[in-house]
Amino acid sequence: DADVTQTPRNRITKTGKRIMLECSQTKGHDRMYWYRQDPGLGLRLIYYSFDVKDINKGEISDGYSVSRQAQAKFSLSLESAIPNQTALYFCATSDIGTSGIGTDTQYFGPGTRLTVL
Amino acid sequence: AQKITQTQPGMFVQEKEAVTLDCTYDTSDPSYGLFWYKQPSSGEMIFLIYQGSYDQQNATEGRYSLNFQKARKSANLVISASQLGDSAMYFCAMREGTYNNNDMRFGAGTRLTVKP
Repeated sequence: DADVTQTPRNRITKTGKRIMLECSQTKGHDRMYWYRQDPGLGLRLIYYSFDVKDINKGEISDGYSVSRQAQAKFSLSLESAIPNQTALYFCATSDIGTSGIGTDTQYFGPGTRLTVL
Repeated sequence: AQKITQTQPGMFVQEKEAVTLDCTYDTSDPSYGLFWYKQPSSGEMIFLIYQGSYDQQNATEGRYSLNFQKARKSANLVISASQLGDSAMYFCAMREGTYNNNDMRFGAGTRLTVKP
């Protein structure tokens, strides 16, 4: 079984709908992240969480919200989807690096392809 | 400001040859980590290799090595003995500062095509 899973893998929805993307991990990592990927722009961080009680905004959090239900689960919500939120969404996890110099490697889920019509 | 620059949108290499994918970065923080990820056509992001700013030696992982030139702020990925399965998008990324900083920035990527 994959260490980081995302559901759904593909979703087509309409403008104005509320959408939730879910991420689960079995790696035992405390840190979880949500990114979106657009062609030519690489990945951009939406939200991240250091532990269940910690939620932080990333580079592009507007229009999104998250919930950390448990150490292993981190959900991303689009409250009212719009077409420019059409993208590939990735969840990632990491554990604190032993040297403490930003070394914690992030491991990614398979991605969710979201299309907003 | 763009912190990670990958200047090669696409690269071609003959099977069994070596290829270098370029990455330059911009930071004033003396502590940072550099990462390379592979994204095959199936879409998943696969971690390849990591280099810390204080590491004295270039990182290596099997056929992957990172040519780290700190003064030039470059962190090029070298893939030796290319295989058809290496055809994919490759992303360079950097995280600055301590473990409490999760501002991981990615480059726009390089699409590598390995020719038989």
